[in-house]
Amino acid sequence: KQEVTQIPAALSVPEGENLVLNCSFTDSAIYNLQWFRQDPGKGLTSLLLIQSSQREQTSGRLNASLDKSSGRSTLYIAASQPGDSATYLCGVGPRSGSRLTFGEGTQLTVNP
Amino acid sequence: DTEVTQTPKHLVMGMTNKKSLKCEQHMGHRAMYWYKQKAKKPPELMFVYSYEKLSINESVPSRFSPECPNSSLLNLHLHALQPEDSALYLCASSRRGSGANVLTFGAGSRLTVL
Repeated sequence: KQEVTQIPAALSVPEGENLVLNCSFTDSAIYNLQWFRQDPGKGLTSLLLIQSSQREQTSGRLNASLDKSSGRSTLYIAASQPGDSATYLCGVGPRSGSRLTFGEGTQLTVNP
Repeated sequence: DTEVTQTPKHLVMGMTNKKSLKCEQHMGHRAMYWYKQKAKKPPELMFVYSYEKLSINESVPSRFSPECPNSSLLNLHLHALQPEDSALYLCASSRRGSGANVLTFGAGSRLTVL
């Protein structure tokens, strides 16, 4: 059974800092990994999707990497802004089926 | 249209009520999902419909009854719920029901059971 862990559980940084969020998974037989953002009481917004054959994806100030062999992904946020404050979830997609397994999330606070 | 629309945004119901949550997408996606999310926890998969057929039921109690009338609509019928069923219910869709897809989520329906 796939298990997904996100570290740290919470992170508070001053505005402008670069930061890294971590996601690890136990079963490397994945099809893809997706990073989401969730604001309090809201739905999930997809940020980046990495296929298992890819090493990284970039969108604006966000960069996600994937090391399937070690079961790890990182989300790098450059020049953080208060608007980046949210919970960030990683979801791991299996090779077959559609059971996306989520980590518990990292709650990020960027202070002005 | 790149959205998944969920209604209502908020729902309060008693334990004897019957209500429904509705989800709609017009992206041509053929897989639709219901997730349940408790506070400060990750979403938990409840049901998956693939090509309008129920493909996954994660041992969800029968007081939750999903329905997929067509490829754009997904309902979740609620009956005789318990207070512990209070949660954020999220609908999602993807191009097809396999692991290779980006999931697009709706904003959720906040359910409170009194």
